[in-house]
Amino acid sequence: TQLLEQSPQFLSIQEGENLTVYCNSSSVFSSLQWYRQEPGEGPVLLVTVVTGGEVKKLKRLTFQFGDARKDSSLHITAAQPGDTGLYLCAGNTGFQKLVFGTGTRLLVSP
Amino acid sequence: DSGVTQTPKHLITATGQRVTLRCSPRSGDLSVYWYQQSLDQGLQFLIQYYNGEERAKGNILERFSAQQFPDLHSELNLSSLELGDSALYFCASSVGGTAVGYTFGSGTRLTVV
Repeated sequence: TQLLEQSPQFLSIQEGENLTVYCNSSSVFSSLQWYRQEPGEGPVLLVTVVTGGEVKKLKRLTFQFGDARKDSSLHITAAQPGDTGLYLCAGNTGFQKLVFGTGTRLLVSP
Repeated sequence: DSGVTQTPKHLITATGQRVTLRCSPRSGDLSVYWYQQSLDQGLQFLIQYYNGEERAKGNILERFSAQQFPDLHSELNLSSLELGDSALYFCASSVGGTAVGYTFGSGTRLTVV
C-alpha cells in the first residue's frame, strides 16, 4: 500500500507568515495533486504536477514535485485567513485511483 | 457548486440498518469514485466506476456495495451498519482517469447510533 505522509499535521500561524507543507512517499507517482478542503465541503483541486522537478505557481502558492517524483511541497507566501483549511496531497498510482496523503490542517489567524 | 451532487447531506441511522448514498457526477464525467473520510483514517478509496463498469476497488468492506447506472449516477449501499461506519462519504468524478484530477461533491455525513 502506497503511503503519502504529510508534515506537519497541524500548523497554526499568523496572517502574513510564510509556510511550507511537505508530502513524502517511498513510491514513485506518475503525477501528484494538491487539494484544499474546507469544513463541510469536499476537497477542491488546486494543482497537478507531472514532471519531476516541476514548479507551479498559483498566486501566493508554489508547488514543487520532487526530481524523483516521490515527494512534493506546497509553499504559501504571506498567508491569509482565507488559506485556512485541510491541505491534501494525492498521488496518481497509475492504477485507476488516487492515494491521498494524511493531510495538513492549517489555521491562519488575523 | 462543484457540479457533483451528493444526497443526502446528512444521515443518522441505527446499527444494523442499511442506507443508500447517491451521487450524480459532473456533466460529461464518466468516472465516479467513492471515498470514506474519518478523523483517524483520512480519505480512503472505496471503489471506482467508469461508464457503468467497476474499474478499481480499494478497502471496501463486503457489507458495502456500489453501482453506476446508465445515466452515470452512482449509488453506494452500506448494510449491517456499525458504529465505526460513521464517517463522511465523498463521491468524486472525472472525465477519464486520475491524471486530470477529481471534482468532489460536498459529501454525505453518516452517523450510526
